[in-house]
Amino acid sequence: GAVVSQHPSRVICKSGTSVKIECRSLDFQATTMFWYRQFPKKSLMLMATSNEGSKATYEQGVEKDKFLINHASLTLSTLTVTSAHPEDSSFYICSAFAGGGSTDTQYFGPGTRLTVL
Amino acid sequence: GIQVEQSPPDLILQEGANSTLRCNFSDSVNNLQWFHQNPWGQLINLFYIPSGTKQNGRLSATTVATERYSLLYISSSQTTDSGVYFCAASTGGGNKLTFGTGTQLKVEL
Repeated sequence: GAVVSQHPSRVICKSGTSVKIECRSLDFQATTMFWYRQFPKKSLMLMATSNEGSKATYEQGVEKDKFLINHASLTLSTLTVTSAHPEDSSFYICSAFAGGGSTDTQYFGPGTRLTVL
Repeated sequence: GIQVEQSPPDLILQEGANSTLRCNFSDSVNNLQWFHQNPWGQLINLFYIPSGTKQNGRLSATTVATERYSLLYISSSQTTDSGVYFCAASTGGGNKLTFGTGTQLKVEL
């Protein structure tokens, strides 16, 4: 149980294009999903918190107009990198949180590696 | 916000050796998790452990919440244990995890 998928796993795009990344909780409903960014040999940095049916909450320094987040259902959140540039190249990871119960465990997707040429 | 630091940053072990990884955090936590990030980038949940001790096979973890640290023990290490180990913590509401700096573990034959 508690499986989170991401699609695509890897994407290469040209500078100026937009890229959409999907995050799905496969066997549970996620009240909250989180989006992280990881640079090579670095830790994960939280970008935003996505709650179903409401606007995402962005961390300080994250451009909300560049990184559009939509959480349309309890099993799907999407991150769209708009007008991508080479500096947006990174490893993007989502996590899903079911809430309630005896633990507050977050479960992570396998990540999406974005390369902007 | 909460600060999370891990030590050591790098660790090289011979197969079969034991090791202890440490995670220090700067505030009271309501969530603390340990993860193993494999070479393909997947974060694998190891423990949800805001307090107390848990064991799972060759791995065990202890969190002393009052002293604001957590330890991850790896016994009889194997080459498949190689990768980066992260602890992550959250405080207050919102369940936002702050990740530590990570420990890069390499287990050699």
